Amino acid sequence: KQEVTQIPAALSVPEGENLVLNCSFTDSAIYNLQWFRQDPGKGLTSLLLIQSSQREQTSGRLNASLDKSSGRSTLYIAASQPGDSATYLCAVKDNDMRFGAGTRLTVKP
Amino acid sequence: DVKVTQSSRYLVKRTGEKVFLECVQDMDHENMFWYRQDPGLGLRLIYFSYDVKMKEKGDIPEGYSVSREKKERFSLILESASTNQTSMYLCASRERVLGEQYFGPGTRLTVT
Repeated sequence: KQEVTQIPAALSVPEGENLVLNCSFTDSAIYNLQWFRQDPGKGLTSLLLIQSSQREQTSGRLNASLDKSSGRSTLYIAASQPGDSATYLCAVKDNDMRFGAGTRLTVKP
Repeated sequence: DVKVTQSSRYLVKRTGEKVFLECVQDMDHENMFWYRQDPGLGLRLIYFSYDVKMKEKGDIPEGYSVSREKKERFSLILESASTNQTSMYLCASRERVLGEQYFGPGTRLTVT
């Protein structure tokens, strides 16, 4: 059974810093990997979707990479802002969709 | 713009009540899902549906049922609500070709 791990569980950085969030998974036979953002008490907002054949995807200040063979993905956030404060979850799809527990990011002004 | 809506943001029900949570998507997706999210336990799949009138059990279906009479609507039913069903409930739909999943805003259910 696929297991998805996100480290660290929480991260606090000063505004303007570049940062990397990590996601690892145990079974490399995936269809895709998706990164989400969740604000407190809200639903999940899709940020980036990477297909298994892709290495990375970019959207604005966000860049997600995928290394299937090593079972890893990273979400890079450039020039972080207080509005980026949220919980970030990754999810991998094989026959099911499995979610990590998330990384709670705080960006301090 | 992609949209998944849920009938209520907050709901308070009494133990033993029958509870209906409604989810509607406007993207013509075949696949729809119900999750619950609890601190320390993450997202857990309750039920999903790959098409109208089809339903499949997820990881934690006990105490729940679902209904999918129309493609755009997927309902979660708590037959007899219990306090351990107090949770955040999230509905999602998934696009079939690329597999991107979209979530609704969530329903915070409290059972007293």
